[in-house]
Amino acid sequence: NAGVTQTPKFQVLKTGQSMTLQCAQDMNHNSMYWYRQDPGMGLRLIYYSASEGTTDKGEVPNGYNVSRLNKREFSLRLESAAPSQTSVYFCASSEGRGSNQPQHFGDGTRLSIL
Amino acid sequence: AQKVTQAQTEISVVEKEDVTLDCVYETRDTTYYLFWYKQPPSGELVFLIRRNSFDEQNEISGRYSWNFQKSTSSFNFTITASQVVDSAVYFCALKNYGQNFVFGPGTRLSVLP
Repeated sequence: NAGVTQTPKFQVLKTGQSMTLQCAQDMNHNSMYWYRQDPGMGLRLIYYSASEGTTDKGEVPNGYNVSRLNKREFSLRLESAAPSQTSVYFCASSEGRGSNQPQHFGDGTRLSIL
Repeated sequence: AQKVTQAQTEISVVEKEDVTLDCVYETRDTTYYLFWYKQPPSGELVFLIRRNSFDEQNEISGRYSWNFQKSTSSFNFTITASQVVDSAVYFCALKNYGQNFVFGPGTRLSVLP
């Protein structure tokens, strides 16, 4: 089973460029999440989608947009990349907010903004 | 409000030593879930264990054990006879019913040969 698949794994951008991080899950999960991980900061929630058709801001949404394309796919877009967005990005999915089941994570995207 | 504290930023032990990673949580809800994840140097996040708030039984899985104490709002993780492969960042997480996960800042464990 693939679980949660993120693409790309690595990306280097110049300041001001845009890009979209892709995420897909094959576990029929309702909820999907985007986190960023910075040294010493743990995982910070950027946006989440509690169910297909809904998206909500997390702890650090500024500079990002998301799209829940369908139940499987949840993309994260950087419209105008800034060096402060250099980070490792993780997509995750779970059965739903009312569930006690764990989140499952993708392998991460290492993004550098020059 | 939900909060998870992992006071130990980094721990170093020598192989075969026992080590305990602390996790203290805050929540006003009576129904909640606690999790531990492992992030090895390769970077992926691996789910280790889940505990429900109404189940205070401790759990042992091989060299790993977890001590859940509601009285002190703690969910500590002990590795017995540590090995180099245990070197990783370990995250504790809390989820209230119907809400999102909240992660602690993580504890970096280095097991030296």
